[in-house]
Amino acid sequence: GQSLEQPSEVTAVEGAIVQINCTYQTSGFYGLSWYQQHDGGAPTFLSYNGLDGLEETGRFSSFLSRSDSYGYLLLQELQMKDSASYFCAADNTNAGKSTFGDGTTLTVKP
Amino acid sequence: DGGITQSPKYLFRKEGQNVTLSCEQNLNHDAMYWYRQDPGQGLRLIYYSQIVNDFQKGDIAEGYSVSREKKESFPLTVTSAQKNPTAFYLCASSPGQGSGYTFGSGTRLTVV
Repeated sequence: GQSLEQPSEVTAVEGAIVQINCTYQTSGFYGLSWYQQHDGGAPTFLSYNGLDGLEETGRFSSFLSRSDSYGYLLLQELQMKDSASYFCAADNTNAGKSTFGDGTTLTVKP
Repeated sequence: DGGITQSPKYLFRKEGQNVTLSCEQNLNHDAMYWYRQDPGQGLRLIYYSQIVNDFQKGDIAEGYSVSREKKESFPLTVTSAQKNPTAFYLCASSPGQGSGYTFGSGTRLTVV
């Protein structure tokens, strides 16, 4: 089977940096994706790591270590609008389907 | 603008009734997916399709059916065999591996 683990909740203050970790156990692992979902909305794609290392997109960065089956999403200069759920998803080599973690609810406080 | 359109936004189903959720995309993506999300949980894969006239079962396909007669369309039918259908249903498409999914705005299905 496939499973991903991420913390259920994280709280941080505006302007701070927060890291959301994700460990995975999957067969046919191809890469790790991250999605943001605001309450009641649809997930939106944030980033993808197919190779080990850090990918940076504006205030968001994502990291992957295949040898450790581990990745993280780093959010810098937190804003109130960053309050949302964040999901890591393991892409499978079969048909590009993804297995999602249960999500991390990030609360940004003033 | 390109995107994915899901309809209806809210749907109410009576016991023993089949209902069909619509999903249309104009992104020219080959792959399409249906996921189910329950409150406070992640997304679970119901069905996926890589190409027209072909689709595969996901992790929780029982009680659901799909068709892929056109590249743009991937409707999902929730049958009476699905005993706990109340959930948020999300349709997605992707141009290829490593590109991420584009999701529709979802359909909230409630059994009444």
